Amino acid sequence: EAGVAQSPRYKIIEKRQSVAFWCNPISGHATLYWYQQILGQGPKLLIQFQNNGVVDDSQLPKDRFSAERLKGVDSTLKIQPAKLEDSAVYLCASSSSGTLGNEQFFGPGTRLTVL
Amino acid sequence: AQKVTQAQTEISVVEKEDVTLDCVYETRDTTYYLFWYKQPPSGELVFLIRRNSFDEQNEISGRYSWNFQKSTSSFNFTITASQVVDSAVYFCALSEARGSEKLVFGKGMKLTVNP
Repeated sequence: EAGVAQSPRYKIIEKRQSVAFWCNPISGHATLYWYQQILGQGPKLLIQFQNNGVVDDSQLPKDRFSAERLKGVDSTLKIQPAKLEDSAVYLCASSSSGTLGNEQFFGPGTRLTVL
Repeated sequence: AQKVTQAQTEISVVEKEDVTLDCVYETRDTTYYLFWYKQPPSGELVFLIRRNSFDEQNEISGRYSWNFQKSTSSFNFTITASQVVDSAVYFCALSEARGSEKLVFGKGMKLTVNP
């Protein structure tokens, strides 16, 4: 079974530029998560989708971050415009349902550096 | 509010030593799940264990064991006879029933096992 795929793996941009990340979850997984992991910290949830609907985006900085999950499969996370403090690893995860306690499977992440 | 504290930030041991990683959590919910994830240098988070709030049985899996104590809100992880391959960052995480199924992570603990 293929795991969670993410691209690109690395991205370097200058502040005020835009960037987009892509995630392909495990086939059949209804729930998809985007986490932000700043160096030296644990991942923090940005947004959670159940199929193509948003379940939780309370910690998403909506003035600059946006995400979508068209057709309930792949998802993209966009930052526009980027700030220095957005430098982090962006992790995508998926789980088979939104049931409490379900194991979340993580992708390799996209490391973003904002100069 | 939910919170996970991993007081140790970094530990270095010599191969074959035993090492315990501490995790203390805060939650107002009576139904919740606790997790441990491993993050090797490659960056991908690897699921190790899940424990629900109603199951305080300790668990052993090979060289790994977990001690869950609700009385002290702790969920500690012990690696017996550590190996170089155990070198990674280890995260403890909490998922509450009342919120979405998001994981709230601790800051992580970097374990280095030297030969």
